[in-house]
Amino acid sequence: DAGVIQSPRHEVTEMGQEVTLRCKPISGHDYLFWYRQTMMRGLELLIYFNNNVPIDDSGMPEDRFSAKMPNASFSTLKIQPSEPRDSAVYFCASSLMRYYNEQFFGPGTRLTVL
Amino acid sequence: GQQVMQIPQYQHVQEGEDFTTYCNSSTTLSNIQWYKQRPGGHPVFLIQLVKSGEVKKQKRLTFQFGEAKKNSSLHITATQTTDVGTYFCAGMTNSGYALNFGKGTSLLVTP
Repeated sequence: DAGVIQSPRHEVTEMGQEVTLRCKPISGHDYLFWYRQTMMRGLELLIYFNNNVPIDDSGMPEDRFSAKMPNASFSTLKIQPSEPRDSAVYFCASSLMRYYNEQFFGPGTRLTVL
Repeated sequence: GQQVMQIPQYQHVQEGEDFTTYCNSSTTLSNIQWYKQRPGGHPVFLIQLVKSGEVKKQKRLTFQFGEAKKNSSLHITATQTTDVGTYFCAGMTNSGYALNFGKGTSLLVTP
């Protein structure tokens, strides 16, 4: 298996622009997580899905952030409009909870908002 | 809400010295997981502890889960340069499958 795939790997945009981050989880996994990592705040859980349904979005910072999972093999995290304080590395992770709780992380998307 | 505190924030050791990082949760956990993140990389799962007082070993790494299931530690014996990275603990409660990550301990090993 190719592991969790994220795109793009790097994104540089200007304040006010819309940003869409994409994730393809490991095939067969039933949970998908979106995290944000910064030096100041560490690794924060933004939202997670179970079987494509959002379960907990309490970590989503504000209404500018939205996440969708239209099917089992694809999820997006959208920021509109983006702000400089959104600059961070965004990780997607997936897991198969029935057997084990291990989360498999993707390589991350490094977002810079100017 | 649940908070996971991890200390120290940084540790610099000479190769061959031992290293320990500690993790404390404000609430009782159903399990605790440990991850390692190399510089520029992504977190990689190391281990999960579930039982009260559990101790698990992976070669030079020893993981412990406290009796009250609120604290944990990772001990590395005789560090090597390949151990460089940030080690995170992450706690899960019975209320769901979300992991609450500590801030991590960044380990630097000099030869």
